[in-house]
Amino acid sequence: DTGVSQNPRHKITKRGQNVTFRCDPISEHNRLYWYRQTLGQGPEFLTYFQNEAQLEKSRLLSDRFSAERPKGSFSTLEIQRTEQGDSAMYLCASSLVPGQGNTEAFFGQGTRLTVV
Amino acid sequence: AQKVTQAQTEISVVEKEDVTLDCVYETRDTTYYLFWYKQPPSGELVFLIRRNSFDEQNEISGRYSWNFQKSTSSFNFTITASQVVDSAVYFCALSPGGTSGTYKYIFGTGTRLKVLA
Repeated sequence: DTGVSQNPRHKITKRGQNVTFRCDPISEHNRLYWYRQTLGQGPEFLTYFQNEAQLEKSRLLSDRFSAERPKGSFSTLEIQRTEQGDSAMYLCASSLVPGQGNTEAFFGQGTRLTVV
Repeated sequence: AQKVTQAQTEISVVEKEDVTLDCVYETRDTTYYLFWYKQPPSGELVFLIRRNSFDEQNEISGRYSWNFQKSTSSFNFTITASQVVDSAVYFCALSPGGTSGTYKYIFGTGTRLKVLA
């Protein structure tokens, strides 16, 4: 088990382009979370899945954002028509359901998106 | 509304000094979790500790200690005899608790700790 893996680590894109990020959680974890972190700020919750079901979405997740976890394993986060304000670090985390044996969510190293 | 405040933006200390990072939280939930995470330059958030809202016992782990006080809604973190490797951004976070809880964290803005040799 190598922890939570995110790809790519860095992405530079032109404004208006679509981008997709991938997150591979720890294999036995049924919950998967996406966060966004801008410079000098703490991570902000975007959405989370339990298995393949998307259970909650933050109001930060505009219509241009979509996340999927089709088979309850890896997840993708797509941003359509990127804007400069989308530039941030996108963090993925995974966990078991609280109370099922672990005490926290485990984070990946993130994907840093720069929109130029 | 839920909120986590880390008033210290940046702290610099000389190696071997003790340093305390402050965290104040707001929540109306009766059951919640509090956390501290460390974020080194590599970007990955590294878990340090979790506290349940009903457990106010202070905890010590090596050079790290945590002081949880519900009366003041604070969860402060002390590093004793700091080392250069402790240099990082430290985040305090809050999440709903109980069996229906989730690790939907509310993070503070972080405190950047610089430990100088």
